[in-house]
Amino acid sequence: GAVVSQHPSWVICKSGTSVKIECRSLDFQATTMFWYRQFPKQSLMLMATSNEGSKATYEQGVEKDKFLINHASLTLSTLTVTSAHPEDSSFYICSARDWVGSTDTQYFGPGTRLTVL
Amino acid sequence: AQTVTQSQPEMSVQEAETVTLSCTYDTSENNYYLFWYKQPPSRQMILVIRQEAYKQQNATENRFSVNFQKAAKSFSLKISDSQLGDTAMYFCAFIHFGNEKLTFGTGTRLTIIP
Repeated sequence: GAVVSQHPSWVICKSGTSVKIECRSLDFQATTMFWYRQFPKQSLMLMATSNEGSKATYEQGVEKDKFLINHASLTLSTLTVTSAHPEDSSFYICSARDWVGSTDTQYFGPGTRLTVL
Repeated sequence: AQTVTQSQPEMSVQEAETVTLSCTYDTSENNYYLFWYKQPPSRQMILVIRQEAYKQQNATENRFSVNFQKAAKSFSLKISDSQLGDTAMYFCAFIHFGNEKLTFGTGTRLTIIP
């Protein structure tokens, strides 16, 4: 199956600093990638849709100035958490959209655990 | 609005047994895809199986199979000969043609008991 990587897998930062998370599709090109946030024992919450070469589309309630998304190429999307605060601590997961035999499927990265002190 | 309902928050079965996870969904669309993803303790989301709504035949992937009832809007997952490695959170998800966003259920935590 299609492989998506995510880096870093775990990051600790001080309050007020910025953190960048990378999401890469390794064996396919993804014009669309997605960023999710997952709280403990809960389902995934979509934060934004990232389209290559255009601005990301954010879900209602997600601060676009805090969560900066850049989809610079067909295999790379980045999420930057700016001026991070403890409430931003969470598990962030990306996915990449792939057409496999005409079936629209999202493949997920392994996630990034962010802890803001 | 599209919704996905997983009515079983937790389940547990003995190793080697068969278990069925339920999922129902609500949509007014006719063309869509359905998925089951598993999230083991590592938290990596893994695609288990997918089903195109226009296909009447139920999808099968080794020990995993689905029972897709389109009229009833039901999409259950059957795991045969369960293994310890099947212990995970299982999410049912839905996407319809023309909409790139997945709608997830709340998940079922499955524990395989040795």
